[in-house]
Amino acid sequence: GQQLNQSPQSMFIQEGEDVSMNCTSSSIFNTWLWYKQDPGEGPVLLIALYKAGELTSNGRLTAQFGITRKDSFLNISASIPSDVGIYFCAGLITQGGSEKLVFGKGMKLTVNP
Amino acid sequence: GAGVSQTPSNKVTEKGKYVELRCDPISGHTALYWYRQSLGQGPEFLIYFQGTGAADDSGLPNDRFFAVRPEGSVSTLKIQRTERGDSAVYLCASSLTTQSGETQYFGPGTRLLVL
Repeated sequence: GQQLNQSPQSMFIQEGEDVSMNCTSSSIFNTWLWYKQDPGEGPVLLIALYKAGELTSNGRLTAQFGITRKDSFLNISASIPSDVGIYFCAGLITQGGSEKLVFGKGMKLTVNP
Repeated sequence: GAGVSQTPSNKVTEKGKYVELRCDPISGHTALYWYRQSLGQGPEFLIYFQGTGAADDSGLPNDRFFAVRPEGSVSTLKIQRTERGDSAVYLCASSLTTQSGETQYFGPGTRLLVL
């Protein structure tokens, strides 16, 4: 099946630093999404991208939908302790009346105060 | 308003037993999804409901897994003859409509441990 390759798998940074993560796929997606998951919780949507080449910001978060539609990146600027968590990229598949998300394996972010 | 809720939050069972996991979607959401998340992995799609019907159950791993949504709201994921490999977090999500790209809102999950 379709898989998303997410990297890096983990990052340990100092508060105030920027962090970037990316996601690639062998398949084309028409919608890319970035989620954050805190311990014991379900994923929460951060940013959704709908058009190839699109660059979207949400506060300190910036994400881009790759022009080939096979990749995306997420950047977090000026990190703060509450940014700690696991970040997932996801591609949306819509076909034959179905709709489902395919997730990457996640990037665990640790922010040192 | 209330988000997606799932019960129980944790379930411990013995190999071979039957379990039911419940999902209460956000009120008015017509689409409901079940995902399974193993340790250190991203969620994996199991099944998608549009209203009462399962529009896509291609992610169910085998016939021990079954899900229903009889009134188009609450859904129950049923696992028969549980195996240790079924241990995972089972996540439910709902979205307002079937319009492509509509945000899926996730519940906190049910942590299933099969001993």
